[in-house]
Amino acid sequence: NAGVMQNPRHLVRRRGQEARLRCSPMKGHSHVYWYRQLPEEGLKFMVYLQKENIIDESGMPKERFSAEFPKEGPSILRIQQVVRGDSAAYFCASSPRDDRSIGELFFGEGSRLTVL
Amino acid sequence: GQQLNQSPQSMFIQEGEDVSMNCTSSSIFNTWLWYKQDPGEGPVLLIALYKAGELTSNGRLTAQFGITRKDSFLNISASIPSDVGIYFCAGRYGNKLVFGAGTILRVKS
Repeated sequence: NAGVMQNPRHLVRRRGQEARLRCSPMKGHSHVYWYRQLPEEGLKFMVYLQKENIIDESGMPKERFSAEFPKEGPSILRIQQVVRGDSAAYFCASSPRDDRSIGELFFGEGSRLTVL
Repeated sequence: GQQLNQSPQSMFIQEGEDVSMNCTSSSIFNTWLWYKQDPGEGPVLLIALYKAGELTSNGRLTAQFGITRKDSFLNISASIPSDVGIYFCAGRYGNKLVFGAGTILRVKS
């Protein structure tokens, strides 16, 4: 039973390039969350998606960042025109849908973005 | 926004010692969770708490959901070397989890 799969694990981009991070949730999970973690800090919520719907994007920067979770395929976090401050670990998490377990997020191993 | 204050920031443990850490907030949360993160890995869920006053154990780990719903603690009994890592508390607020800044557990040499 595969866990949350993220790729790439490591990504290096130059300033101004685009970064695309992918996440496949656990089997049977239809809810995906993206979090960002800076070195030696906690995780900061970015966006919560269900299939074909963005439910809550209150943690997402208004510019350059976008996320999707299409009907088929993985969820994608896209960062356009990356800047050095975007360097961080980006974690995807998934959960099944019932009220009690909504807090039980299962995390992937993260994608570490380095912007040169 | 909602903030969780986690303490201590870091601590050294000697094998066999009991460890205690806690998390407080000025906001009420309906669910408290504790996660552990090893270097280069994603956080792994340790314990989830759903009711105020709830005390839950998972092996050597025990966590409690404070009566006021504004705090939680995690205890690790008889620590072992593989307990080192970063421990995060998290509170559920609406659709999302809010995380504390973490407590780093290191081994005393």
